[in-house]
Order: sequence, then structure tokens, then C-alpha cells
Amino acid sequence: SQKIEQNSEALNIQEGKTATLTCNYTNYSPAYLQWYRQDPGRGPVFLLLIRENEKEKRKERLKVTFDTTLKQSLFHITASQPADSATYLCALVPYNNNDMRFGAGTRLTVKP
Amino acid sequence: EAGVTQFPSHSVIEKGQTVTLRCDPISGHDNLYWYRRVMGKEIKFLLHFVKESKQDESGMPNNRFLAERTGGTYSTLKVQPAELEDSGVYFCASSQTSWFSAAFFGQGTRLTVV
Repeated sequence: SQKIEQNSEALNIQEGKTATLTCNYTNYSPAYLQWYRQDPGRGPVFLLLIRENEKEKRKERLKVTFDTTLKQSLFHITASQPADSATYLCALVPYNNNDMRFGAGTRLTVKP
Repeated sequence: EAGVTQFPSHSVIEKGQTVTLRCDPISGHDNLYWYRRVMGKEIKFLLHFVKESKQDESGMPNNRFLAERTGGTYSTLKVQPAELEDSGVYFCASSQTSWFSAAFFGQGTRLTVV
């Protein structure tokens, strides 16, 4: 069956460190993958999109990698800040349609 | 530019009643999605409209759920009759026609069935 798994429910790190979140998938052929941020009581907010033929994407302190051999995406936040604390969701869009499917999310807490 | 808006933000109804959720997508976005998150679980896909047509409704839980998007603008999701397990947060998202475009989410409707 198709699965999208994010490495852990919760991740706690110290301010200034790099946060690394993992998204693994099985039985999908994603055309692209997206990362979203969700704060309590709000809808997800788009952060980055990476296509199947791209290895890496960067945006300010954010970096995403996409390894279709390992079936894995890594999401990095460098120089993390307490304001980065939120739940981060990965979402896959398969080739056979353009419906997004989400992982359960990882709740990141950055401590001052 | 207005974002995706959802009405109501909260709804508490009794089991057996009917509830209608509304989503107004960003103007010009042909794609409209409905998702649901129930108690601590992941956001689950319900269905996808392209303009007024249902592209994929494979995520709809059962025939108590009916989604419409008349005229390809706003969409409604009706639950009739509501059951306890329908409680959760219902999100709507919209995106432009082309592939590789981000989806913009509304703030969600929190539905509680008692």
C-alpha cells in the first residue's frame, strides 16, 4: 500500500542548530514533492517544491533534497530560531494525477 | 489578493444533523481540494475539483458526504447525516491549473459532532 512517513512525531533542537526532517515514501511515483508549515489552528502554508528530476532546492535558511532512489526527501532549517517552531508536512503529487497526499507531519520545537 | 476562505470556522452539530461547509478559493484557481484531519492523524485527501468537475473523489469516506462546485468557483461540502466520526478539521486548498504549483490552504473548519 502507499505510505508517506515522516521520521518522527516531534523533534526538539536548540536555537542556532540545523533541524533535519525526513519524509519517506513507498509505492509512489511522485512527480514532485512539497513541504508545508502548519501552525496550531491554521491551514498549512507552502514552503518549497522540488521536482522528481531535481536533487536539491534552497530558499533562504531552508533546503530540501529529493532522492528518488532512496524514496526520501530531507528538509533542513539552518540557524533555527524559536519562530521556526511548528509542524512541518511533506506532500507528494504522483504522476498519475495531481492530487497531493500528506505525511502525518513532524512537530518541531526550537528552544532558545 | 484574498486567500482561500472557509466558512464557518467552527461548527458543533448533533449526530444525525446536516452541516454544509463552504470554501472560496483564490480567484482564478481551477484546482480545488478538500482535505480532512481527524484527531491527531494525518491530513487525508477527500476530493479534487478541476473547475466544476470532480477529478478524483476517491478519498470521500462514504455517501454521506457530497461535494459540489457549481460554476467552478466556490465549493460546498455537505455531510448528511453527520456521525460522531466525522468530527475533525476540514481544509480546503486551491492551486493554479498548471502542474508544479503550490497549493494555498484555508484556515480550516473545525467540525464537532456530538
